[in-house]
Amino acid sequence: EVQLVASGGGLVPSGGSLQLSCAASGFTFSGPAVHWVRQAAGKGLEWVGRIRGKAKGYATAYGASVQGRFTISRDDSKNTAYLQMNSLKTEDTAVYYCARRIEDSESFIDYWGLGTLVTVSS
Amino acid sequence: DIVMTQSPLSLPVTPGEPASISCTSSQSLLRSNGHNSLGWYLQKPGQSPQLLIYLGSNRASGVPDRFSGSGSGTDFTLKISRVEAEDAGVYYCMQDLQAPVTFGGGTKVEIK
Repeated sequence: EVQLVASGGGLVPSGGSLQLSCAASGFTFSGPAVHWVRQAAGKGLEWVGRIRGKAKGYATAYGASVQGRFTISRDDSKNTAYLQMNSLKTEDTAVYYCARRIEDSESFIDYWGLGTLVTVSS
Repeated sequence: DIVMTQSPLSLPVTPGEPASISCTSSQSLLRSNGHNSLGWYLQKPGQSPQLLIYLGSNRASGVPDRFSGSGSGTDFTLKISRVEAEDAGVYYCMQDLQAPVTFGGGTKVEIK
């Protein structure tokens, strides 16, 4: 069974840093891309960024609102992806989800993990 | 960035009746391989989003056949042939043709 579990959320002051983890199981982790998506309370979904799999050179891409502040990485030996968040702002407060996307032309972001809540205080 | 626009914002539906949600993209989502880079997700209260439809019209594994997706290019539709109580939640369309991945604003389906 495919599972993704995001963890590491918590309360952090504005300007601070936090690292989230996304632990995966039930599939060969090195292949698919891992996406991070966030959702502020009562709001819609916002894409944060993604890291592609080994075959795609672990390429990363980010949304404009986090570019330069957030960094996505992965450790395939631990079946885990990470979201390093620096210079946090109050508007970064949200539930953060990680999700999987198999890297082929007939796939899509399919499995989403349980989210982790990040609260940035002013 | 590709802008995704959904309508309606809210959709009250009687069980057993059909429902339809529209999604429009600011650019064509049609790839050279003939697939549309458009998916539909349902987020039930307190849960993570779940994939319903991918590549515009393919039902994800385990999704009931009352859900169907159609459209191509810039205009897409999600249809529920006969709404059931368990279908309540917020529906999102999403494009992943190009980064940044973008979502529609969501359509809240409420069961009367």
